[in-house]
Amino acid sequence: QVQLVESGGGVVQPGRSLRLSCAASGFTFSSYAMFWVRQAPGKGLQWVALISYDGSYKYHTDSVKGRFTISRDNSKNTLYLQMNSLRTEDTALYYCARASGWGDTYYFDHWGQGALVTVSS
Amino acid sequence: QSVLTQPPSVSGAPGQRVTISCTGISSKIGAGYDVHWYQQVPGAAPKLLIYGNSYRPSGVPDRFSGSKSGTSASLAITGLQVEDEADYYCQSYDSSLSGYVFGTGTKVTVL
Repeated sequence: QVQLVESGGGVVQPGRSLRLSCAASGFTFSSYAMFWVRQAPGKGLQWVALISYDGSYKYHTDSVKGRFTISRDNSKNTLYLQMNSLRTEDTALYYCARASGWGDTYYFDHWGQGALVTVSS
Repeated sequence: QSVLTQPPSVSGAPGQRVTISCTGISSKIGAGYDVHWYQQVPGAAPKLLIYGNSYRPSGVPDRFSGSKSGTSASLAITGLQVEDEADYYCQSYDSSLSGYVFGTGTKVTVL
């Protein structure tokens, strides 16, 4: 069965960096676009970044552009999110999600359990 | 930030039917973009309920149904069960933001 397991979360000071990983199994990872979606404590869902199946296309939501970078290693079946210059408002549970559909029809058919990132001094 | 509007809460007795609306402006749902729905039980990750406005993934009970008309979409739950207590989110695409958007979320309570 499809499994997505995030790791790398933790407590970090504002301005510092953190890298999240998402290990995928149970499907052909290299055939699917992948997303990072976050959820601040007690709040709703917000998409963070998208990467195409082969890594050739990447897109980040405006609030993280220039600070976060999504990447993938298809040989390791792993998705990454490099987060630099972290802000307190980046505090959230970060989910990796597999995307189905295409382009503006993307939806998220499988989700990991999430990695908690807390940005605090 | 959420740009699709949902009612904060809906409730119903076991066995009843409830509906959740998801309203967006013309650059989103009204522009013809698909709407998808997710269920999030407290403490768990979201789960896909409906995709492409009205399609159910395998394993999702047919008590859940989705529809779309104009600039709004709806999720209906018929034969409400205790295990349906959760938060529900709609999701679509926003051409003005060139990004994916979620609804504000609706908490369903079974009385």
